[in-house]
Amino acid sequence: GQNIDQPTEMTATEGAIVQINCTYQTSGFNGLFWYQQHAGEAPTFLSYNVLDGLEEKGRFSSFLSRSKGYSYLLLKELQMKDSASYLCAVRDSNYQLIWGAGTKLIIKP
Amino acid sequence: ETGVTQTPRHLVMGMTNKKSLKCEQHLGHNAMYWYKQSAKKPLELMFVYNFKEQTENNSVPSRFSPECPNSSHLFLHLHTLQPEDSALYLCASSQGDSLSGANVLTFGAGSRLTVL
Repeated sequence: GQNIDQPTEMTATEGAIVQINCTYQTSGFNGLFWYQQHAGEAPTFLSYNVLDGLEEKGRFSSFLSRSKGYSYLLLKELQMKDSASYLCAVRDSNYQLIWGAGTKLIIKP
Repeated sequence: ETGVTQTPRHLVMGMTNKKSLKCEQHLGHNAMYWYKQSAKKPLELMFVYNFKEQTENNSVPSRFSPECPNSSHLFLHLHTLQPEDSALYLCASSQGDSLSGANVLTFGAGSRLTVL
């Protein structure tokens, strides 16, 4: 079967750095997405990786290793507003999106 | 308004009620989706419409009935639901349904459904 694994919950301190991991086993690969979802709000697109390596976008970076079936989302200079759930999704060979259950990130002062 | 708008935001219904969820997108997208989001579970794709035509029905029970009158509007009609159907129902849209390239989904804030 197809599966996306990510930690259920993480806690970090304001101003610090946190890395949220995502591992996947899917039938084929056509890109990996990260979305952010604040409580009671819509998920919003953060990043897209289709080639190996690091994509940087301001305080957020996303890394992909296709050979390892692994990605991470790196958040730097954490702010209280970064408290949210982070969803990892992989597009398989049929262009279907396979979703992880999300990682709830709690930022403490 | 911009983006994807869903109404109502909250809905409580009995198992014998009939209700509808509404979604409207102002982005000029061609594809629209219904997803179910339950606590601590991955998003579950329910239905996909592309240019008003249903292109996917992900083995959803018939008590959920979608309707897409045009590319901007999507409805989910609900009838004789079960308590396990309680969840957040998210609508999304995208440029096309193949999701090739970085063709991302734009989501609405969801309709929180409670079935008593």
